[in-house]
Parts: sequence; structure tokens; C-alpha cells
Amino acid sequence: AQKITQTQPGMFVQEKEAVTLDCTYDTSDPSYGLFWYKQPSSGEMIFLIYQGSYDQQNATEGRYSLNFQKARKSANLVISASQLGDSAMYFCAMREGLGGYQKVTFGTGTKLQVIP
Amino acid sequence: DADVTQTPRNRITKTGKRIMLECSQTKGHDRMYWYRQDPGLGLRLIYYSFDVKDINKGEISDGYSVSRQAQAKFSLSLESAIPNQTALYFCATSEAGANVLTFGAGSRLTVL
Repeated sequence: AQKITQTQPGMFVQEKEAVTLDCTYDTSDPSYGLFWYKQPSSGEMIFLIYQGSYDQQNATEGRYSLNFQKARKSANLVISASQLGDSAMYFCAMREGLGGYQKVTFGTGTKLQVIP
Repeated sequence: DADVTQTPRNRITKTGKRIMLECSQTKGHDRMYWYRQDPGLGLRLIYYSFDVKDINKGEISDGYSVSRQAQAKFSLSLESAIPNQTALYFCATSEAGANVLTFGAGSRLTVL
């Protein structure tokens, strides 16, 4: 079974609109963390946002928010007021375990294109 | 200068050649990682190191080796490159107990 599933290979959004990128995860570890990274066409990986499994509130970072639904094992990324510069690949990732090696597993990514 | 520097950024080589990708960091992080990115597959872990004397295999280590020459340096070697090792390779670092990975800019390797 896939640890991290991103079911949307590609998405379009109109500039200034909000968009939700889906991510579901699978783990039996009670302690885990969820991340989103952005990869623009230039190729670098940029950290966007982090949510810990014990965090009570959804994480927010500027225009990015993580809609964490623990019972449904989903960690969707919401980008508000989309900008042209948001066009990129977006990867959801999960860290499992405490101490020692904490395995990080990445999803296959969603390519977001913002339309002017 | 970037916190995590990878060299070379692009490399084209032939089947059977030995290739080394180098990574250096100024973050002072103990932990370093090598990932491989293929279209449609996301990022997969090749090797990771928690300190100079600690090297561990990731999920796809066959055909690769690594060396942690110093806390700040972690190199990835392909002893005899093959075409299916054509990919974008990322070095990443993290602090012990921290959650976020800091990535280098990537090294694009093409094996003909």
C-alpha cells in the first residue's frame, strides 16, 4: 500500500482563486508528521508547511494552510489567492517514528498550473 | 552561497562509467540524505547518514555507494552507471530530531 497518495497528477486554478491539493496517508505509527514541498520548474525543493500528528490546530504559513483530518488520514494543502508563481509541482511527505531514523516518504506529486 | 551545495548540477555520462555526485552543507546539520527523483515516482531515499561514522541504506541503494567524508560532506557514487540511473538526485540535510529537510538544488544525471 502506498504510504502517501496524491491522486491529482495535475490541477489548474485561476489566478487569485483558492486551490486544494489532496494528500492521504497511511501509517500505524501514533507519532508522525506531514509536510508539503514545492518544486518549481527550476527544480529545487522548497519546504512550505508542516503538521505534527499531535498538533491540535491546522498549520498555516501565509497563504498556505494544511487541512489536517486525522480520522480520514488526509492532509490537504490549501493555497489561497493563487499567484502565477505558485505554478509548480507540489509534494506531500510523511515522517514516521520518534528518535533514531525517522523515515520520510514522499508522494508522487501534483502539478499545479495557475492561469492568468 | 546556498546552505546545501550539490556538484555537478548537470552531468551526461556513458554506461559503465564511474560517477560521483558531491554534497556539502553549511547548516551544521548532523544528518544527510541522498534522494532520487523520477517522473511519476516522487522522491526515493538512496542512503542516509546520521554522522560521520554512520551510513545506512535507504529503499533503493543497489548500484550506489556513499561516503561521509566530514560532517559537512556526503558524496554519492555510481560505480558503473546504467541508463536507468538517469534521474534528478537531491542531497538533503536535517538536524537531529528536527522535522524539516533542507534540500540542495539537485544534480541532473543522464546515463547514455
